[in-house]
Amino acid sequence: NAGVTQTPKFRVLKTGQSMTLLCAQDMNHEYMYWYRQDPGMGLRLIHYSVGEGTTAKGEVPDGYNVSRLKKQNFLLGLESAAPSQTSVYFCASSYYLGQKNIQYFGAGTRLSVL
Amino acid sequence: SQQGEEDPQALSIQEGENATMNCSYKTSINNLQWYRQNSGRGLVHLILIRSNEREKHSGRLRVTLDTSKKSSSLLITASRAADTASYFCATVLTGANNLFFGTGTRLTVIP
Repeated sequence: NAGVTQTPKFRVLKTGQSMTLLCAQDMNHEYMYWYRQDPGMGLRLIHYSVGEGTTAKGEVPDGYNVSRLKKQNFLLGLESAAPSQTSVYFCASSYYLGQKNIQYFGAGTRLSVL
Repeated sequence: SQQGEEDPQALSIQEGENATMNCSYKTSINNLQWYRQNSGRGLVHLILIRSNEREKHSGRLRVTLDTSKKSSSLLITASRAADTASYFCATVLTGANNLFFGTGTRLTVIP
């Protein structure tokens, strides 16, 4: 049982380049999330999904797109990377929303945009 | 922002001592959770306390919740070097589905 797996672990981009971060979970969780973590800011929700084929905006969605074509996968895309998107990105999943929303996290992707 | 705020931002103690960190939040919550993050790793859920609970224990962890003061505390007793990590509180707001994370407390336990 791998839990939540993120690829890649590290990436360096030039401004304007695009990339996709992949998140996979093997716990049959319905709900998945993408966060970014910046120094002194805690984790901020970018986008989330309440099921296959659905996505919704979180707290800081601008500059990112997501897709959930399969229940176990949640992709985060950056179409035109900017230095402000330098951050550590975490994917998480949960079995429930709301009152029982306990989340399981991947190990993170460290992204630098030059 | 609807995030919680942890206090202190950083805490350094000797092995065997107790560590206390606090979380304050701004609006009505459904539950409050604590997560641990080891350096370079993802967050791991530690404990959840519901809004109608005042205290909860799990092993060496004790969490209290005071909804009138909109605050929570996490106590780690008899700390170990392996407890060195960042600790985050996260709240589920009343009527909402998602978590809002605080800014974290970095705990260092000196052997």
